[in-house]
Amino acid sequence: EAQVTQNPRYLITVTGKKLTVTCSQNMNHEYMSWYRQDPGLGLRQIYYSMNVEVTDKGDVPEGYKVSRKEKRNFPLILESPSPNQTSLYFCASSLAAVGGSYEQYFGPGTRLTVT
Amino acid sequence: AQSVTQLGSHVSVSEGALVLLRCNYSSSVPPYLFWYVQYPNQGLQLLLKYTSAATLVKGINGFEAEFKKSETSFHLTKPSAHMSDAAEYFCAVRSPSAGKSTFGDGTTLTVKP
Repeated sequence: EAQVTQNPRYLITVTGKKLTVTCSQNMNHEYMSWYRQDPGLGLRQIYYSMNVEVTDKGDVPEGYKVSRKEKRNFPLILESPSPNQTSLYFCASSLAAVGGSYEQYFGPGTRLTVT
Repeated sequence: AQSVTQLGSHVSVSEGALVLLRCNYSSSVPPYLFWYVQYPNQGLQLLLKYTSAATLVKGINGFEAEFKKSETSFHLTKPSAHMSDAAEYFCAVRSPSAGKSTFGDGTTLTVKP
């Protein structure tokens, strides 16, 4: 089954404790992206990757890191989480970023709480 | 820079009534346009997308959207609402030359029996 998977689905952590949220897709997609969803603010793009080893900042990259060493994986790293990073996070992928109107496929989400 | 404005954070309709969810965009170049739906406790899934092949786009579950370049709009409609349409709907734009995606703030659709 074609899908985007995220782990963990739920995470409660404390301020300053480094964490990684994994994202993997099995559709051989070139493009991957991370979003955070907060009430009333819609989805805001954190980082995106046009292909392996190519990443770029979205609208809210502060406090986050990403890497794209393999095509299928795009982990999101919070090196020193703070309470304002409490949010619902979505990973998404699409066939490509340019050259056509390619829709994104979303993972199920990771609900992160930082105390 | 690109942006998306969804007018109305909450829309309530009766079952069987017309659904109209509004989306206006701003972009320096013609963007790709999408509508996504999010059911409670789920991720987003594509409803429909504008591909420039036709200004009236049909999607899943009886939804359609019309691209109006002169009004920079991409409003979503459905002739007759069903209870199962209750969800949050997001309009999104994507630059045709880069990877940046911008989503609207979302519209929560409530369908009353």
